[in-house]
Amino acid sequence: DTGVSQDPRHKITKRGQNVTFRCDPISEHNRLYWYRQTLGQGPEFLTYFQNEAQLEKSRLLSDRFSAERPKGSFSTLEIQRTEQGDSAMYLCASSFAGLYNEQFFGPGTRLTVL
Amino acid sequence: AQRVTQPEKLLSVFKGAPVELKCNYSYSGSPELFWYVQYSRQRLQLLLRHISRESIKGFTADLNKGETSFHLKKPFAQEEDSAMYYCALIGNNNDMRFGAGTRLTVKP
Repeated sequence: DTGVSQDPRHKITKRGQNVTFRCDPISEHNRLYWYRQTLGQGPEFLTYFQNEAQLEKSRLLSDRFSAERPKGSFSTLEIQRTEQGDSAMYLCASSFAGLYNEQFFGPGTRLTVL
Repeated sequence: AQRVTQPEKLLSVFKGAPVELKCNYSYSGSPELFWYVQYSRQRLQLLLRHISRESIKGFTADLNKGETSFHLKKPFAQEEDSAMYYCALIGNNNDMRFGAGTRLTVKP
């Protein structure tokens, strides 16, 4: 296990198209998080899962965004009808729920909406 | 509302000089605070957390509840410390809030 992985690393799409990103967490981690990061800003929390349950969603997560973690392992983040404002780096992180909430981050997926 | 503020976007110091990266937070309860670092072309990684009161790579950070601050300090900066630094807190809902980040440049 080499850490959190994300696929694809880059995605260019046209406005109005749907895109899906995948995140594979560290295998023994039961929590998985999605963040969005735009230029000059820190990561913004979108949602997180504990096992397969989605426990928290940010108000930033509009109804065009949906995330799943069907078997409590990998997760997907889908954006429907993409808009230019969706252009950002999408980060995934995982952790093991416990005393220390250290989150391990993936390399991110950079989305460009033309 | 929980919020993290890093007032300095950019910070530049000379090698061997002390460095302090500021972080202020607003949170109604007892937050869990972290410093994350991102070196060039690497992923975001944890530097230190207040709960463990540790020193990593010579960096320390003390939680000051009175001033609601969690400043990151190092007495003698090194060139390899040049990176993007993010202060973050975890609230009751386990949602981590990050500051906008400070880009530290250590000049030779």
